[in-house]
Amino acid sequence: AQSVSQHNHHVILSEAASLELGCNYSYGGTVNLFWYVQYPGQHLQLLLKYFSGDPLVKGIKGFEAEFIKSKFSFNLRKPSVQWSDTAEYFCAVNALAGGSYIPTFGRGTSLIVHP
Amino acid sequence: DVKVTQSSRYLVKRTGEKVFLECVQDMDHENMFWYRQDPGLGLRLIYFSYDVKMKEKGDIPEGYSVSREKKERFSLILESASTNQTSMYLCASRIRQKSNQPQHFGDGTRLSIL
Repeated sequence: AQSVSQHNHHVILSEAASLELGCNYSYGGTVNLFWYVQYPGQHLQLLLKYFSGDPLVKGIKGFEAEFIKSKFSFNLRKPSVQWSDTAEYFCAVNALAGGSYIPTFGRGTSLIVHP
Repeated sequence: DVKVTQSSRYLVKRTGEKVFLECVQDMDHENMFWYRQDPGLGLRLIYFSYDVKMKEKGDIPEGYSVSREKKERFSLILESASTNQTSMYLCASRIRQKSNQPQHFGDGTRLSIL
């Protein structure tokens, strides 16, 4: 079974600092990769996704992520965070198994940005 | 835009009660999912359904059951609620089984078992 590992459980930054959240997965077959964000009191929503092609994908609100197949990684980055980026971030993998895509989530990273 | 609606934002029940959590989606999605979200544990899959009347166990199905009688509705049932089932429950939908598309989530139900 696949697993998803998020290395940082809690991250605290000041506004304008750069952000990188790590995500590694364990599955050798075809995968699709996602980052979701959950702002306080809101539902999870898609930040960005990778299916194929350019391994550097751009999402909403200035976020981007890079898929490195050899490292089984899909790290999320933002050059300059804002107070409004305070949220919980989840990495997720859809792994192709038996013709179906089975979603697996990481444990999440709580990001607090101080103004 | 996909709308996934969970019937309650907050629910308080007593130990031993049978509890129903309801979820409805309005985009004719085939797949629906139930997760529980606990601090430090992320999202853990309880059950999912590929289509009407179909269900599959997820990673933590013990103590839960589900019902999918209509395509738009997916119910999670706690047969006999226990305090360790106090959690945030999230429902999600996805367009279809062989899809690599992302899931769409509801707002969640925060369930407290006393």
